[in-house]
Amino acid sequence: DAGVTQSPTHLIKTRGQQVTLRCSPKSGHDTVSWYQQALGQGPQFIFQYYEEEERQRGNFPDRFSGHQFPNYSSELNVNALLLGDSALYLCASSLVSNTEAFFGQGTRLTVV
Amino acid sequence: KQEVTQIPAALSVPEGENLVLNCSFTDSAIYNLQWFRQDPGKGLTSLLLIQSSQREQTSGRLNASLDKSSGRSTLYIAASQPGDSATYLCAVRPETSGSRLTFGEGTQLTVNP
Repeated sequence: DAGVTQSPTHLIKTRGQQVTLRCSPKSGHDTVSWYQQALGQGPQFIFQYYEEEERQRGNFPDRFSGHQFPNYSSELNVNALLLGDSALYLCASSLVSNTEAFFGQGTRLTVV
Repeated sequence: KQEVTQIPAALSVPEGENLVLNCSFTDSAIYNLQWFRQDPGKGLTSLLLIQSSQREQTSGRLNASLDKSSGRSTLYIAASQPGDSATYLCAVRPETSGSRLTFGEGTQLTVNP
């Protein structure tokens, strides 16, 4: 049983560019959440998708958007990249709300 | 607004020592609490999940306790090994609908051989 998989593992982008990160949830999971983790800090909640809709959103600007597909996989899009967007982006999946969350290995985004 | 604090921020111990990591949260209206391990530059590995109605959970050398009313949880690691070196994060999930987690900043543990 594959766990949560994220792609790519590393990415370097230039300020102002746009980026798309991808996540495949653990088999059978229907809820996907995205987190941003800056160096030396705990992960911060970006948003959560369930039934292809954004259900909850953290304190992130509209430059951060997402999508969930019918197979429950998800994308995180960030527009107009800033240097401060450099971080480890983590995807978590769970089966329905309020159950144990499983995380992927993350995508390391560097904005130069 | 829920805030999660982990003490200490860093801990260095000799191999074989038993140790306790602390986590406190400001809003006791939680659904559950989860402890994670994170190796440098890697994702999070779930260690233990404690439901709000439970007092503790055990897995191997790990034991996590929860005192919801006082807003505290501890992670006890018995007979520490160099392979336990990592950052340990605790996260709480609110009672209200949704499964967003609020994390502490973690405790960086180093176990010296």
